[in-house]
Amino acid sequence: DAKTTQPPSMDCAEGRAANLPCNHSTISGNEYVYWYRQIHSQGPQYIIHGLKNNETNEMASLIITEDRKSSTLILPHATLRDTAVYYCIVRVVSYNTDKLIFGTGTRLQVFP
Amino acid sequence: GAVVSQHPSRVICKSGTSVKIECRSLDFQATTMFWYRQFPKQSLMLMATSNEGSKATYEQGVEKDKFLINHASLTLSTLTVTSAHPEDSSFYICSAKWTSGRVGDTQYFGPGTRLTVL
Repeated sequence: DAKTTQPPSMDCAEGRAANLPCNHSTISGNEYVYWYRQIHSQGPQYIIHGLKNNETNEMASLIITEDRKSSTLILPHATLRDTAVYYCIVRVVSYNTDKLIFGTGTRLQVFP
Repeated sequence: GAVVSQHPSRVICKSGTSVKIECRSLDFQATTMFWYRQFPKQSLMLMATSNEGSKATYEQGVEKDKFLINHASLTLSTLTVTSAHPEDSSFYICSAKWTSGRVGDTQYFGPGTRLTVL
């Protein structure tokens, strides 16, 4: 089962920041949080990942709370091309497995 | 970034035939490849994990004799849907990862293959 919960949908005006929340209250100490997005009928695109510290790259910023029970993906200046389903995923790692379990994601609609 | 390709992008076949889908890592060597399936308006479901040179590990409920996976090299994995039926129609997506180097151990996904079984 997915270890994350996300709102099913969000809207954002073009040019504004999109803040996508994610709850992962059962995350373990060594489990990473990954974010991917999927544009209709395409494969998921990697965005960013983190463990404890906030992370930033050319696509987005990831803010992880101190207790690691939740995180927020920030798209600083959303464009129409950012319209997609965004998946927050806790990477499950054990001695014989390493996999991503996708939840239902958040459908982000960026409007003009 | 790391690039993963799939071939074909879409395929239509008759019920009872077998279909092979290829997944290639183009600019890195993939020690592990994953196969997912996605039905309309649903999320991705992991089907199996394959490590180069060894047998694939299937998720619960996935028939290993129906979905044959081969990962014979560090850049190629194949999924064969045997005796396909209409209920196998879906979007099949692969991903690949390498455990060190430039791409770290992040999974990178292919563009997907749309299978329609008539």
